[in-house]
Amino acid sequence: EVQLLESGGGLVEPGGSLRLSCAASGFNFNSYGMNWVRQAPGKGLEWVSFISGSSRNIHYADSVKGRFIISRDNAKNSLLLQMNSLRAEDTAVYYCARDNLVGGVLAAADHWGQGTLVTVSS
Amino acid sequence: EIQMTQSPSSLSASVGDRVTIACRASQNIDNYLNWYQQKPGKAPNLLIYAASRLQSGVPSRFSGSGSGTDFTLTISSLQPEDFATYYCQQAYSTPLYTFGQGTKLEIK
Repeated sequence: EVQLLESGGGLVEPGGSLRLSCAASGFNFNSYGMNWVRQAPGKGLEWVSFISGSSRNIHYADSVKGRFIISRDNAKNSLLLQMNSLRAEDTAVYYCARDNLVGGVLAAADHWGQGTLVTVSS
Repeated sequence: EIQMTQSPSSLSASVGDRVTIACRASQNIDNYLNWYQQKPGKAPNLLIYAASRLQSGVPSRFSGSGSGTDFTLTISSLQPEDFATYYCQQAYSTPLYTFGQGTKLEIK
């Protein structure tokens, strides 16, 4: 069974840093790209970042580019998100989600973690 | 950046109703369109991929259609567990995904 478990959320002051982790199990982690997707309180879903299985391809949403760093440790089946220069508008539940070529046809986020809440406030 | 617009933003319906949610892309995305369901306090769940293909384990009352810029998600006969928020997502510019703003389906 595919399982994704985020951790590392919490309360941080504006300008501060936080590091999120996502522990993966139940699948061959290094064969899949992984995403971070966030959801501000009462709002919709916003894609944040993607990293390929080999870490060769990395992409960020414009809203976090230059402040967030995605990485992975395939030996530990772990996905990471280093968040720097945090702003109030980064307050959200952060989900890790597996990227998969579903049905051999199209990429989609086919498995999600339960999310971890990041609150940026003084 | 491809923009995704859903309509309506919210919808009230009764158990047994047939419901349709629309999603429009700002440019042609062929059939690179996914639908997700999200219940309160839970992570999203993939329902439909490639505009019309049902993800494994998803009930057949869910269906999707469309191509190009206009897409629809249809629930043929609403069940109590279907009251949730639904999101479309374009995968044309993968992995730079964008989501629609969501459609909240509520009980009438």
